[in-house]
Amino acid sequence: EAQVTQNPRYLITVTGKKLTVTCSQNMNHEYMSWYRQDPGLGLRQIYYSMNVEVTDKGDVPEGYKVSRKEKRNFPLILESPSPNQTSLYFCASSLSKYWRGTVAYEQYFGPGTRLTVT
Amino acid sequence: DQQVKQNSPSLSVQEGRISILNCDYTNSMFDYFLWYKKYPAEGPTFLISISSIKDKNEDGRFTVFLNKSAKHLSLHIVPSQPGDSAVYFCAARGISGSARQLTFGSGTQLTVLP
Repeated sequence: EAQVTQNPRYLITVTGKKLTVTCSQNMNHEYMSWYRQDPGLGLRQIYYSMNVEVTDKGDVPEGYKVSRKEKRNFPLILESPSPNQTSLYFCASSLSKYWRGTVAYEQYFGPGTRLTVT
Repeated sequence: DQQVKQNSPSLSVQEGRISILNCDYTNSMFDYFLWYKKYPAEGPTFLISISSIKDKNEDGRFTVFLNKSAKHLSLHIVPSQPGDSAVYFCAARGISGSARQLTFGSGTQLTVLP
């Protein structure tokens, strides 16, 4: 089954304790991305990766790190989490295909990771 | 400054009627628009998209309309079903920058009443 998986799904941690949220896709997608969802703000992009060893900042990269050493994996690292990073996080990977005559850049999303930093 | 805006946080519609979800954007460089649906405890799923060279795209009960001059797009669901109850996000892709970088709106919670 084609899917994007994230672990853990739920995490409660304390300020300053380093954590990693893993993301893996089995669709051989080149593009992967991390978003955070906050009330009233929708989905905001944190980092994205066009391919292995190619990453770039999104709209809200402060306080986060990523790496892309393998095509299927794109972990999100919080070196020193703070309470303002409490959020719902989504990983996504991109399929590029023709859909009714146009290129459809649809993204497949993981199930989300709810992070609480106290 | 939000470049993609969904001004209605919520919408309630009777089953069988039309649901119209709206989205406005400010960046004239956006060339591709998508709608995603999100159920609780799940990630968003792709619903329908439209290129800026078109003004309408239809897929079953779902139709997306694009008015470039007004920088406005809308999603029509006809007829609405209780299973359509979800949060709907519109998203836009810019010509510059990453080909797959999307800017999302804040979402509209649609409730279809049986």
